[in-house]
Amino acid sequence: QKEVEQNSGPLSVPEGAIASLNCTYSDRGSQSFFWYRQYSGKSPELIMSIYSNGDKEDGRFTAQLNKASQYVSLLIRDSQPSDSATYLCAVNIRDGGSQGNLIFGKGTKLSVKP
Amino acid sequence: ETGVTQTPRHLVMGMTNKKSLKCEQHLGHNAMYWYKQSAKKPLELMFVYSLEERVENNSVPSRFSPECPNSSHLFLHLHTLQPEDSALYLCASSQGTGVTGELFFGEGSRLTVL
Repeated sequence: QKEVEQNSGPLSVPEGAIASLNCTYSDRGSQSFFWYRQYSGKSPELIMSIYSNGDKEDGRFTAQLNKASQYVSLLIRDSQPSDSATYLCAVNIRDGGSQGNLIFGKGTKLSVKP
Repeated sequence: ETGVTQTPRHLVMGMTNKKSLKCEQHLGHNAMYWYKQSAKKPLELMFVYSLEERVENNSVPSRFSPECPNSSHLFLHLHTLQPEDSALYLCASSQGTGVTGELFFGEGSRLTVL
């Protein structure tokens, strides 16, 4: 069973701090990794994708990938109350002859306190 | 209209009813998806259509019946549902014909089965 694990939280950080969200995955052959943000009552929205080991930065967001450790993280610098949401980690796995499948974690709920 | 639109946004039905969920994407994408989101569970892929052909059916009960008449429209026909089918049903689309992680979600249809 291919799995994606996240700490459900809630993760609470003060405004202006760095929020660190973590995700581990079980399929060593996974090649594509994604972070989605889902505000309460809304649909998920893609905020970051990462395909190779190392860091990828986009504004206040940095995704980090370590394939050897099967670990992907999302750092949010200068956290704002508007960053309060559930963050979903998703991993694209290959299932034999199929075209692949996107497995989601349960999500980590982030709360940024003013 | 832009993005991915879903109707109805809320639906209450009895176990013997027949209803349909509708999804329309205005992004020119080639693939469309149905996902189920239940409380405390990860997003579950139900169906994938690529170029209007179904390529994935993740062991979904036959009381859920998808239909994709063209690359812009996707339906989920519902009949004789169970209370445990109550959930948020999300439609998504993506570019390309394989399962990718770069999904664009609609706002979802909140289904309650009495």
